[in-house]
Amino acid sequence: AQSVTQPDIHITVSEGASLELRCNYSYGATPYLFWYVQSPGQGLQLLLKYFSGDTLVQGIKGFEAEFKRSQSSFNLRKPSVHWSDAAEYFCAVGAHSSASKIIFGSGTRLSIRP
Amino acid sequence: EADIYQTPRYLVIGTGKKITLECSQTMGHDKMYWYQQDPGMELHLIHYSYGVNSTEKGDLSSESTVSRIRTEHFPLTLESARPSHTSQYLCSLFTSGRANVYEQYFGPGTRLTVT
Repeated sequence: AQSVTQPDIHITVSEGASLELRCNYSYGATPYLFWYVQSPGQGLQLLLKYFSGDTLVQGIKGFEAEFKRSQSSFNLRKPSVHWSDAAEYFCAVGAHSSASKIIFGSGTRLSIRP
Repeated sequence: EADIYQTPRYLVIGTGKKITLECSQTMGHDKMYWYQQDPGMELHLIHYSYGVNSTEKGDLSSESTVSRIRTEHFPLTLESARPSHTSQYLCSLFTSGRANVYEQYFGPGTRLTVT
């Protein structure tokens, strides 16, 4: 069965510092992997996705993520965070063959220290 | 891109009332989903549909029901609302692109409070 683990419930980083949010997944075949961001009171927005090909994926707002099959991970990174990046971030995994179900992690709340 | 509309955005209702949360899209996409999300928590899939007259229950058991009579609409109904139904409900769809590449889009959500 598919599952997603985001081990960090809450992370605080200083503005301008680098960021890495962890995501580990469990899936028997090649997965679809997603990162979403949800600002307070807002809907979910897709940051980036991995389906196949280059394991380093570039997304919007300066985010990137790297798919590491050997570690079953898909960590999200940003070299320099901005105060506007404060939000909840969700990692998700889907079945490669049909996108029939998407399973979400529990989310990581990111706070930015001025 | 895909536009997904959800109404109402906010709803406060008393226990025992019947409610229907609306979700609609105009692009004719087949795959649509309902998620439930408690504040600060993860999303749980409660229903999904692959097209007209196709509905399935998701991983999280829910007392709600859905219908898909038309491609454009995927309403969710609670026959008798209870305080435990207080949550945010997110409607989503998948677009099918080239080479089996999918994109998922979410509506703005309906925040339901049952008193």
